[in-house]
Amino acid sequence: QVQMVASGGGVVQPGTSLRLSCAASGFTFSMSGMHWVRQAPGKGLEWVAVIWYDGSKEFYSDSVKGRFTVSRDNSESTLYLHIKNVRVEDTAMYYCAKDTTGTGTAYLEDWGQGTQVTVSS
Amino acid sequence: DIQMTQSPTTLSASLGDTVTITCRASQNIDGWLAWYQQKPGKAPTLLMHRTSTLESGVPSRFSGGGSGTEFTLTIRSLQPDDFATYYCQQYDSYISFGQGTKVEVK
Repeated sequence: QVQMVASGGGVVQPGTSLRLSCAASGFTFSMSGMHWVRQAPGKGLEWVAVIWYDGSKEFYSDSVKGRFTVSRDNSESTLYLHIKNVRVEDTAMYYCAKDTTGTGTAYLEDWGQGTQVTVSS
Repeated sequence: DIQMTQSPTTLSASLGDTVTITCRASQNIDGWLAWYQQKPGKAPTLLMHRTSTLESGVPSRFSGGGSGTEFTLTIRSLQPDDFATYYCQQYDSYISFGQGTKVEVK
């Protein structure tokens, strides 16, 4: 069955960098658009980024553009999110999710369990 | 960017009630709307897409409707498992979510 296991979160200091990973299995990863969605404590869902099935295009929300970079390794069925210069407001649960089209403008049919990022000095 | 606005923010209801959540888009999204359910401490799960197409395994007491900029999620005969937070999401232009509606026990 579809499984996505996110990792790499933890407690980090402001201004540092962080890389989140999402290991996928149970579906053809190389054909799926992959997204990161975050949820701050007690808040709603915020779409963060998407990368096309082949890695050829990436799109970001305005709130993270310039600091976040999404990438993927189709040979390892793994999605990444690199966050630089982390801020307190980046504190959230980060979910990876797969879409249904491969090119990002789609609904999210499966989600990973999330990895918690806490930014604190 | 397309903004999604849900109402109400919180909805208090009893078992067996029928409830409706509204989702409004800042522009026409041509029915490219999905609904998710999220329970505390869990990832969201997809309930339906394309406004009203239920995902496999989703009970028929859930239904979706609407067009243009206004959409609804209706839950008939609320069951204990339905108390959760619900989010709409447009996928006409990239992706954006509504702020969520918590359905709580009255």
